[in-house]
Amino acid sequence: AQKVTQAQTEISVVEKEDVTLDCVYETRDTTYYLFWYKQPPSGELVFLIRRNSFDEQNEISGRYSWNFQKSTSSFNFTITASQVVDSAVYFCALSQDAGGTSYGKLTFGQGTILTVHP
Amino acid sequence: NAGVMQNPRHLVRRRGQEARLRCSPMKGHSHVYWYRQLPEEGLKFMVYLQKENIIDESGMPKERFSAEFPKEGPSILRIQQVVRGDSAAYFCASSPGWNPEAFFGQGTRLTVV
Repeated sequence: AQKVTQAQTEISVVEKEDVTLDCVYETRDTTYYLFWYKQPPSGELVFLIRRNSFDEQNEISGRYSWNFQKSTSSFNFTITASQVVDSAVYFCALSQDAGGTSYGKLTFGQGTILTVHP
Repeated sequence: NAGVMQNPRHLVRRRGQEARLRCSPMKGHSHVYWYRQLPEEGLKFMVYLQKENIIDESGMPKERFSAEFPKEGPSILRIQQVVRGDSAAYFCASSPGWNPEAFFGQGTRLTVV
């Protein structure tokens, strides 16, 4: 069975601080994909990133960066110089590979509520 | 992800009524996934459909819930005889095929009173 754990339920920071959101996953698949989504107060789900299990390169996109470490089954997300608009719930998710038939079926973590104070 | 359209955005139903949630996938997408987000929880997979086929319904409650994705028209998630515990946000995602990209709609917030 697949499992995604986001141990941090809530994080509160002051604007311009850096913040890292942790994500640990469990899977028996050798091929899988990891995602991060943002859910702002308005409620929609905003896709942030997808990584596949064969690509352990870290990625940076503006103030966002992701650290994928297969050895520790972690896919952590760092926001540099946080801003009030970053306040949201952040979800880490894992898609399974059942012979190529269920790529889109995601297992989500419980989410981390990030509050950035001015 | 704005291309996945869900309606209505908000739905209020009395206990015992039926709720119908609609999802129009992005243009060119033939795969639809439904997820449920209970209050203060993460999203849980419900069902995965292709046109006219249910591929995986392992997350669907055994009773009162059904889903379809007809050849023409949107995908429908139907909840019969709603109860207060059905109050949640229901999200639809679509993808073009055997592809891990999944784009979400804005969700339908169902409130059962």
